[in-house]
Amino acid sequence: EIVLTQSPGTLSLSPGERATLSCRASQSVSSSYLAWYQQKPGQAPRLLIYGASSRATGIPDRFSGSGSGTDFTLTISRLDPEDFAVYYCQQCGRSPFTFGQGTRLEIK
Amino acid sequence: EVQLVESGGVVVQPGGSLRLSCAASGFTFDDYTMHWVRQAPGKGLEWVSLISWDDASTYYADFVKGRFTISRDYNKNSLYLEMNSLKTEDTALYYCAKASQPMLVFDYFDYWGQGTLVTVSS
Repeated sequence: EIVLTQSPGTLSLSPGERATLSCRASQSVSSSYLAWYQQKPGQAPRLLIYGASSRATGIPDRFSGSGSGTDFTLTISRLDPEDFAVYYCQQCGRSPFTFGQGTRLEIK
Repeated sequence: EVQLVESGGVVVQPGGSLRLSCAASGFTFDDYTMHWVRQAPGKGLEWVSLISWDDASTYYADFVKGRFTISRDYNKNSLYLEMNSLKTEDTALYYCAKASQPMLVFDYFDYWGQGTLVTVSS
C-alpha cells in the first residue's frame, strides 16, 4: 500500500498570503495518478488538481500543483477567504487507492 | 449535469448488514468505473472499493475484504455496496464517486455524491 503523508497537519495563514501544502509518498507515484481535493465542512470533496499539475474544470489559476516521484506540492498563490478548507492528496495508480490524512488550512 | 445520490445509510447493530445505493445520472453510466469512499466523523477520506465500467474488475480495501461487496446495475444506473459483519469502526459517511475518464480503472474522481451516513452501534 502506498502511504501518503501530508504536511503540515494544520496551516494558519491570512487571506492574500501564499499557501504551500506538501504530500509525500512512501513509494514513487506516477504524476499521472496524483490528485488533490478540497473539502469544506458539510460538503463532499471537490477535485482541484489531477495528473499532479493540471487544474480541474472551473478551478481558479491561483491553485497549482507540482512534483514528481514521491514529493508533490499544492500551492495557492494568494489565499481567498473561500480557500480555507481541508485539502487531501490521493494516489489513484494502484490499489488500494490511498489518500493523505489531510491538511487543514485555517484563517490566522 | 452529473448527479450521484447515495441512500441506504441507517443505524445498525454490530454484526448486522446493510446495502447502500448510489443513483447516477447525467453521464453514460456504462462507461465509467465507480468507487465508494468513506469518512468517519471528524476524520479523513478512506477509499473502500471500486468496480470497473464493464463489471470485470472489483477491488477492495483490506479492511472490508470478505465483508463488503460492490456491484452495479446498468439498467437502473445504480451502484451498490453490500455490507456484512459490520463493526463499530465502519461508522462513517459513505460517498460514491465517479472516475473521470471512460473505460479506465485507475483514474482520479471528478464527481462525488453527498454521502449517506452509516452508524454501527448497539
